[in-house]
Amino acid sequence: SQQGEEDPQALSIQEGENATMNCSYKTSINNLQWYRQNSGRGLVHLILIRSNEREKHSGRLRVTLDTSKKSSSLLITASRAADTASYFCAGETSGSRLTFGEGTQLTVNP
Amino acid sequence: SQTIHQWPATLVQPVGSPLSLECTVEGTSNPNLYWYRQAAGRGLQLLFYSVGIGQISSEVPQNLSASRPQDRQFILSSKKLLLSDSGFYLCALRGPNYGYTFGSGTRLTVV
Repeated sequence: SQQGEEDPQALSIQEGENATMNCSYKTSINNLQWYRQNSGRGLVHLILIRSNEREKHSGRLRVTLDTSKKSSSLLITASRAADTASYFCAGETSGSRLTFGEGTQLTVNP
Repeated sequence: SQTIHQWPATLVQPVGSPLSLECTVEGTSNPNLYWYRQAAGRGLQLLFYSVGIGQISSEVPQNLSASRPQDRQFILSSKKLLLSDSGFYLCALRGPNYGYTFGSGTRLTVV
């Protein structure tokens, strides 16, 4: 079963703008991870936030986690055309099982 | 560094034919390994995971099975493919910092 839902399903922005994607999950997690997938390719790990963390940064990425609301957000600042891809959140539960949301398709227009 | 090799990249198989997809890893020992399937435009569905040789956990009852005959080898199989088995199959391993590394995937079309 899927871990949760992502919002929006699709997002189209201009280069230089910020992109925010949200994720909700259903069960308790040990950590929440975000992945990127270019069309027809494998997934690339972007960032991981542990359940006892509230915010984390990595380059142009900022992720937040609210365990009381079972939600997370991914912010990509100063977006580039090369950021165009699908982005997935995934929660890792006990037993090292990683379950994914449905993803957000991000399009960054030059 | 850890790497995953997954092949073939694409596969077209007739209904009722067998399937064997292989995944091998390098740069690590005794990894947790996973098989996922992705339908077009959807998220990833966890099919099987393995914490060691011969240890397989199935997440979804289906027409598929998995085996781990060696520490760094994970195989996805079917005796008779169904149309509904079509999809993008991805192998993954859990890294030391809990992030997962994915293979490049196999796009399976059952005709």
